[in-house]
Amino acid sequence: DTEVTQTPKHLVMGMTNKKSLKCEQHMGHRAMYWYKQKAKKPPELMFVYSYEKLSINESVPSRFSPECPNSSLLNLHLHALQPEDSALYLCASSLVSTSGSSFGNEQFFGPGTRLTVL
Amino acid sequence: DQQVKQNSPSLSVQEGRISILNCDYTNSMFDYFLWYKKYPAEGPTFLISISSIKDKNEDGRFTVFLNKSAKHLSLHIVPSQPGDSAVYFCAATTSGTYKYIFGTGTRLKVLA
Repeated sequence: DTEVTQTPKHLVMGMTNKKSLKCEQHMGHRAMYWYKQKAKKPPELMFVYSYEKLSINESVPSRFSPECPNSSLLNLHLHALQPEDSALYLCASSLVSTSGSSFGNEQFFGPGTRLTVL
Repeated sequence: DQQVKQNSPSLSVQEGRISILNCDYTNSMFDYFLWYKKYPAEGPTFLISISSIKDKNEDGRFTVFLNKSAKHLSLHIVPSQPGDSAVYFCAATTSGTYKYIFGTGTRLKVLA
């Protein structure tokens, strides 16, 4: 199984709602990532988990709250979002190299969740 | 500050000809580079990579060239096929990190 799955595919939420995005992989990858991609822009890294511990937070606002409950699952909890947070949210996973980074390993991406904040 | 740049937003190529996609970077600490292909409504798919200790890596129709002195890499697709029509992103990373920096993307259209 070389697939990263993401649910839901589409999400529309109001600024007062609380929702969660879910990502799952069964490739034994111990690094998992959240990216945000706006139209005609490159994916921008938000968070990285390595061995279920938060390794990188790219100064993301606290209205985005990541969670890695086990080695196969990654969640992104959303609360009090703004319309400018509307974007494609991509999850990815990769092996961890012996040096303890992702070096030399490609990332496998899910299809993304298209989020619209009204 | 965009550390990885793809200066051509789009490229059209005839089927069977060579497609050359270019990528420039500014951070000399980058030592591993990757190319991804992205179809609409799908996540990026890994194509090919190259380490900074090499200047060329080939996989079937895809070849990546790295010119470290110029901080430039390119992806060659030969022969180009209509199914190659997609957005191509280059990405760069540094050993010891989990950070991948993506370029702005080039939309390739292969004409039948």
